[in-house]
Amino acid sequence: DGGITQSPKYLFRKEGQNVTLSCEQNLNHDAMYWYRQDPGQGLRLIYYSQIVNDFQKGDIAEGYSVSREKKESFPLTVTSAQKNPTAFYLCASSIVAGGKEQYFGPGTRLTVT
Amino acid sequence: AQSVTQLGSHVSVSEGALVLLRCNYSSSVPPYLFWYVQYPNQGLQLLLKYTTGATLVKGINGFEAEFKKSETSFHLTKPSAHMSDAAEYFCAVSVMDAGNMLTFGGGTRLMVKP
Repeated sequence: DGGITQSPKYLFRKEGQNVTLSCEQNLNHDAMYWYRQDPGQGLRLIYYSQIVNDFQKGDIAEGYSVSREKKESFPLTVTSAQKNPTAFYLCASSIVAGGKEQYFGPGTRLTVT
Repeated sequence: AQSVTQLGSHVSVSEGALVLLRCNYSSSVPPYLFWYVQYPNQGLQLLLKYTTGATLVKGINGFEAEFKKSETSFHLTKPSAHMSDAAEYFCAVSVMDAGNMLTFGGGTRLMVKP
């Protein structure tokens, strides 16, 4: 089955620690995205990548970092500089062409205490 | 830049009643429009999309939406609500020049009463 996997589903960390969220896709999509979702809010774009070894900041990139060394993988690191990291994080991928939808993974819920 | 407004952060209907979730967009160029559904603690699933052609779009689970350019709207409807429709629904817009970058509305939580 083709799709997007995110691991782990739930993640707990102490304040001041960096944490990396995994996102893998086997859809052969060129573009991948990271979103943050907070209760009662829509999705906010953190980073996106349209090709291997290249990525761009989204609307709320501060305190986050990414890499895109392989087409299939787009890990997100939440650094200690992120002031309010507790949230639900969603990874998505798509074909790079107008009108094509994004496919979403199941999400990772990060709790930092 | 594009934007999406979803009127009503919470909508409550009775089982069997009409579902109407409102979405208005702003775009200076022809938009691509999407509706996604999200069940608790899960990712988003595509319900339907409009790209070109027929303005009435049918999706999964009995949902449909109509693109109305004159009203800049893309409202989502379902004739008869089912308990399993209770979820959060997101409207999103993209445009050709922005590749596949989606701009999302704030979401509408649909509650279905028995």
